[in-house]
Amino acid sequence: EDKVVQSPLSLVVHEGDTVTLNCSYEVTNFRSLLWYKQEKKAPTFLFMLTSSGIEKKSGRLSSILDKKELFSILNITATQTGDSAIYLCAVEDNTGKLIFGQGTTLQVKP
Amino acid sequence: GAGVSQSPRYKVAKRGQDVALRCDPISGHVSLFWYQQALGQGPEFLTYFQNEAQLDKSGLPSDRFFAERPEGSVSTLKIQRTQQEDSAVYLCASSLEWADQPQHFGDGTRLSIL
Repeated sequence: EDKVVQSPLSLVVHEGDTVTLNCSYEVTNFRSLLWYKQEKKAPTFLFMLTSSGIEKKSGRLSSILDKKELFSILNITATQTGDSAIYLCAVEDNTGKLIFGQGTTLQVKP
Repeated sequence: GAGVSQSPRYKVAKRGQDVALRCDPISGHVSLFWYQQALGQGPEFLTYFQNEAQLDKSGLPSDRFFAERPEGSVSTLKIQRTQQEDSAVYLCASSLEWADQPQHFGDGTRLSIL
């Protein structure tokens, strides 16, 4: 059975800290891995990764994929209170559907 | 519209009632997906359309769940004879192509069954 596992499930840090969120997967027909940020409403798209070892970066956020070891990490540097959210990792299979992990709840304290 | 639009935002129904949830995808997006998100969990796939064709409905939990997209744009997810375990947030997502393009999500419909 396909599965995506995220760790930690929750994390509390202070502003300015750097955090690393983990995502491992076992998906038979892998196409891509995506990261989303979910606050109270819609999950918003962050990154889509298809190739190993190529870092994607957007401001203070970056992500990388390892297709040999079947995991991805999402890094957030110099965290701010606005980064508080649930971060979802999802793997797209060859049918196009997304298989999500449970999410990591990040709380950034002032 | 600028994003995926879902309505209603909140729906409360009594057990046994039928409900209909609407999704209006981003204009021009070919693919449309429905997901169910239970409290504290990641979304789980329900069904997928490419234009008006329902290509995968393997995630629908029972035959009480039915989805359609008759003109290849707006989609409706219908749940008949609702039960308490149907309480969840129902998310709709659309993408430009069937794969290799990020899915963009609506705000969801929070369904509560009393």
